Amino acid sequence: EAAVTQSPRSKVAVTGGKVTLSCHQTNNHDYMYWYRQDTGHGLRLIHYSYVADSTEKGDIPDGYKASRPSQENFSLILELASLSQTAVYFCASSRDWGVEQYFGPGTRLTVL
Amino acid sequence: GDQVEQSPSALSLHEGTGSALRCNFTTTMRAVQWFRKNSRGSLINLFYLASGTKENGRLKSAFDSKERYSTLHIRDAQLEDSGTYFCAAPGGYKVVFGSGTRLLVSP
Repeated sequence: EAAVTQSPRSKVAVTGGKVTLSCHQTNNHDYMYWYRQDTGHGLRLIHYSYVADSTEKGDIPDGYKASRPSQENFSLILELASLSQTAVYFCASSRDWGVEQYFGPGTRLTVL
Repeated sequence: GDQVEQSPSALSLHEGTGSALRCNFTTTMRAVQWFRKNSRGSLINLFYLASGTKENGRLKSAFDSKERYSTLHIRDAQLEDSGTYFCAAPGGYKVVFGSGTRLLVSP
């Protein structure tokens, strides 16, 4: 049974629209992460969280917000989607910082 | 600057053969994680090492923190091994990722 799930698995959005990507984990992990992956590149950290009701900026937070309403759930919010935000987004969780991360299946976002 | 250099960027293997992928780090990392992105786009955990080597089936990984590198060896490659392989390592306050190795296994 998948321990990190994401929804939706794919989405097409219009420029300027609002997009919310959701992530749910059943690992009982404190840390959760949002990454984006662009073709030919590794993953880049957008936001992360180590406790409910708190989020931290990663390496590329501009244009994104995050929300951690509970230990299990972590959302990524694009208030005004732009073409440059077309990418595959991965959510992950880990027990602690710097230890093994477990990834969700990814969400393919296309902004038109 | 980049903290992880992953090589090769692309690799083609015939079934039954093997090769190795490598990640070099510019700073000392305390651990490394290897995973594969399969044809469905999902990231599959392969290994997590803080030191030494680990082996799982036809895959084997090694991590040398002092020498700042990690390797992933694939032997007897199968068609289903095709995909993009990434290394990742926690460095300071963030996890850094290699740019990936696209592996294609052909008959």
